[in-house]
Amino acid sequence: RKEVEQDPGPFNVPEGATVAFNCTYSNSASQSFFWYRQDCRKEPKLLMSVYSSGNEDGRFTAQLNKASQYVSLLIRDSQPSDSATYLCVVNKPPGQNFVFGPGTRLSVLP
Amino acid sequence: EPEVTQTPSHQVTQMGQEVILRCVPISNHLYFYWYRQILGQKVEFLVSFYNNEISEKSEIFDDQFSVERPDGSNFTLKIRSTKLEDSAMYFCASSDPLDRPNTEAFFGQGTRLTVV
Repeated sequence: RKEVEQDPGPFNVPEGATVAFNCTYSNSASQSFFWYRQDCRKEPKLLMSVYSSGNEDGRFTAQLNKASQYVSLLIRDSQPSDSATYLCVVNKPPGQNFVFGPGTRLSVLP
Repeated sequence: EPEVTQTPSHQVTQMGQEVILRCVPISNHLYFYWYRQILGQKVEFLVSFYNNEISEKSEIFDDQFSVERPDGSNFTLKIRSTKLEDSAMYFCASSDPLDRPNTEAFFGQGTRLTVV
């Protein structure tokens, strides 16, 4: 099983749609979870950390289910500016290394 | 806002040549990393560095690679004898764990290495 897996994508959605990204991870000892976005040929940028109780930041909602080793990201009212690749990132115990998922590309069409 | 800076933004080198990629992590961060991303592929971990030594490295980080923190601000990645397959975007990152969960890493803009 791969360390971090994501929906293969791409997702092509109309503006205003709600989009859900799914991620599973294999290491049950992982404690830190993040969503990054990466624009074409740019560096990954932190979108949001994912807390065990779930967290929301504007149109973005992240959820964590440790029992199922599953992380999700929901984007409501998607905008063309949300078009990017969304990366699920999980820490790899025991150290401080981060493991990246392959990413899911999103295109929001105006 | 503090940021990780990398130089150069693009490096073209001939196969077999040595290259040094440079990074200035965020000043109060304790952990430093190098990742790479081959075009169209996922971001891959190379090495992490803490307290002036390598804390972890991946299988990719073989004897051709080395890292150094030559002074209080720079963090470098050296590839001794570049191969065509080393062509990739190399990202430096830093984080400040403070022994708490969900300490994120901040990434530099990357150096695009092209080996010809």
